[in-house]
Amino acid sequence: GEEVAQTPKHLVRGEGQKAKLYCAPIKGHSYVFWYQQVLKNEFKFLISFQNENVFDETGMPKERFSAKCLPNSPCSLEIQATKLEDSAVYFCASSQSPGNTIYFGEGSWLTVV
Amino acid sequence: DAKTTQPTSMDCAEGRAANLPCNHSTISGNEYVYWYRQIHSQGPQYIIHGLKNNETNEMASLIITEDRKSSTLILPHATLRDTAVYYCIVRVGFYNFNKFYFGSGTKLNVKP
Repeated sequence: GEEVAQTPKHLVRGEGQKAKLYCAPIKGHSYVFWYQQVLKNEFKFLISFQNENVFDETGMPKERFSAKCLPNSPCSLEIQATKLEDSAVYFCASSQSPGNTIYFGEGSWLTVV
Repeated sequence: DAKTTQPTSMDCAEGRAANLPCNHSTISGNEYVYWYRQIHSQGPQYIIHGLKNNETNEMASLIITEDRKSSTLILPHATLRDTAVYYCIVRVGFYNFNKFYFGSGTKLNVKP
């Protein structure tokens, strides 16, 4: 597609439940990125992929967060045993190649109650 | 970790030019300056980017100082729909060239 597609738009989970978010990058884009936005202005880089390979995971919390980009499937970001502080908007982005502009999806709102 | 400094908020009259400043005094030679905006809580929207030279596209102009320590995003004729948070971002590092550091951004309020 011509835009980064994220699903679901909204997700509510009770503390301790699992949350899984999906992202389809723009067709032809090899790089995928996940960002977390807590409150209104703070963006935190989580992880990036080059095709199905992890490119940079320095922002990923090690214990409960995991992500994958498998061939012919949407990329996913999974949070095991969610906590209240995981409530945020999670943005996926993609780019064609290193150095190219990054385009963002509309985000997935996760609310942990 | 953000390497840019922007004013928290700015006002602009509709139809006037909006000039949004950004300081990036620690920028290095191979780092680009990117501008994105976020309208409400939608996904960040790409506006423009540059390395050394001034750039213009259908949305905006980017003026980068000669020493590259600061830049200005210019929206030539602001409309109410330009009300958003504008982020000035330096693309960091050679191996981490796609890990953007977002600052806190400038909330631009376009008023009638």
